[in-house]
Amino acid sequence: QKEVEQNSGPLSVPEGAIASLNCTYSDRVSQSFFWYRQYSGKSPELIMSIYSNGDKEDGRFTAQLNKASQYVSLLIRDSQPSDSATYLCAVYTGRRALTFGSGTRLQVQP
Amino acid sequence: GAVVSQHPSWVICKSGTSVKIECRSLDFQATTMFWYRQFPKQSLMLMATSNEGSKATYEQGVEKDKFLINHASLTLSTLTVTSAHPEDSSFYICSAHTSGTYQETQYFGPGTRLLVL
Repeated sequence: QKEVEQNSGPLSVPEGAIASLNCTYSDRVSQSFFWYRQYSGKSPELIMSIYSNGDKEDGRFTAQLNKASQYVSLLIRDSQPSDSATYLCAVYTGRRALTFGSGTRLQVQP
Repeated sequence: GAVVSQHPSWVICKSGTSVKIECRSLDFQATTMFWYRQFPKQSLMLMATSNEGSKATYEQGVEKDKFLINHASLTLSTLTVTSAHPEDSSFYICSAHTSGTYQETQYFGPGTRLLVL
């Protein structure tokens, strides 16, 4: 079992819809959780971090964490074509390096 | 958020030459930096962890004599690809670990695209 799992997609949503991206992790001692966005040919950009159970909102983005279920998600409201990218889920387990999922490719259709 | 720079952004070199890539944390000190490699349409692969003042820790399968890492200061880590070959052509990305104000997280540099002819 991979340490951090994501559906590779592509996830296709129409412009203006809500995009829901999901991630599960295997290590129960995981402490911190991150969502990065990576455009094609670019390096990852941090968009959200979440450290405790519940929801965390930042603009159009909402991160949700459920440690009991070992599940973290990212909701993007009012999706725009510019949101089309690969979204990487990352987990900090106490090792210095984050553990990354393989990413979910999101396509927002105009 | 914290800013990490990389230089150069692009490099083209002949097979057999060595290439040095610099990674700098511009507004914070990073005792730990990481080097990743990403091939087209593939996910990030951690190559090594660079620790200031000590030897780097390499991931399994990464040749430490080929990919030389030096972390000479709290704001600079360098990756040297020695005797580069076409199969080393890839997108090399560094990241810097921070704690405290920004909590525990990693910020990525913009990446260096290497093409070995």
